[in-house]
Amino acid sequence: GQQLNQSPQSMFIQEGEDVSMNCTSSSIFNTWLWYKQDPGEGPVLLIALYKAGELTSNGRLTAQFGITRKDSFLNISASIPSDVGIYFCALRADSWGKLQFGAGTQVVVTP
Amino acid sequence: ETGVTQSPTHLIKTRGQQVTLRCSSQSGHNTVSWYQQALGQGPQFIFQYYREEENGRGNFPPRFSGLQFPNYSSELNVNALELDDSALYLCASSQRRPDQETQYFGPGTRLLVL
Repeated sequence: GQQLNQSPQSMFIQEGEDVSMNCTSSSIFNTWLWYKQDPGEGPVLLIALYKAGELTSNGRLTAQFGITRKDSFLNISASIPSDVGIYFCALRADSWGKLQFGAGTQVVVTP
Repeated sequence: ETGVTQSPTHLIKTRGQQVTLRCSSQSGHNTVSWYQQALGQGPQFIFQYYREEENGRGNFPPRFSGLQFPNYSSELNVNALELDDSALYLCASSQRRPDQETQYFGPGTRLLVL
């Protein structure tokens, strides 16, 4: 099956710093999704990307759908303590909602 | 809050037992997907239910089965539990829209198999 690689695995940053993470796939896909999971909760959708080259923002979050359709990145600007959590990229593996998730990037924000 | 609820929140079983997990979908949603999330990993797709029928399945053995009811709620059943079945089980509900479907996840059921 297709490979989905997410990096980095974890990040320890200071409050106020920017964060960047990315995902690459071995195949071309039409949709990239970014989710955040807090402890004891299910993943929550942050940003959905549907077109190659698309750049979308949600508050301090910005995500881009790579022009090759095989990669995507997520940036968090001016991090705050509530940004702590695990961030997942995901692909829509078929038209009907089967999602394939990356392994996640754990973000820790220190004061 | 997504409006998706799951029960129970935690469960402990022993090898060989059977377990049933439940999910109530968000109002207006007709599709439920189930995922298994092992510790330190991303969720893995188990299967999806639409109009009370299984619609797509991931790489899970037949001892993982499910149901969807007329009110769109759903159950996940796992027979002959194995130690590796210990995980967080997530359900996600959605309104069926090809290529634009957004899934809303519940908080999950944490299963421990001893």
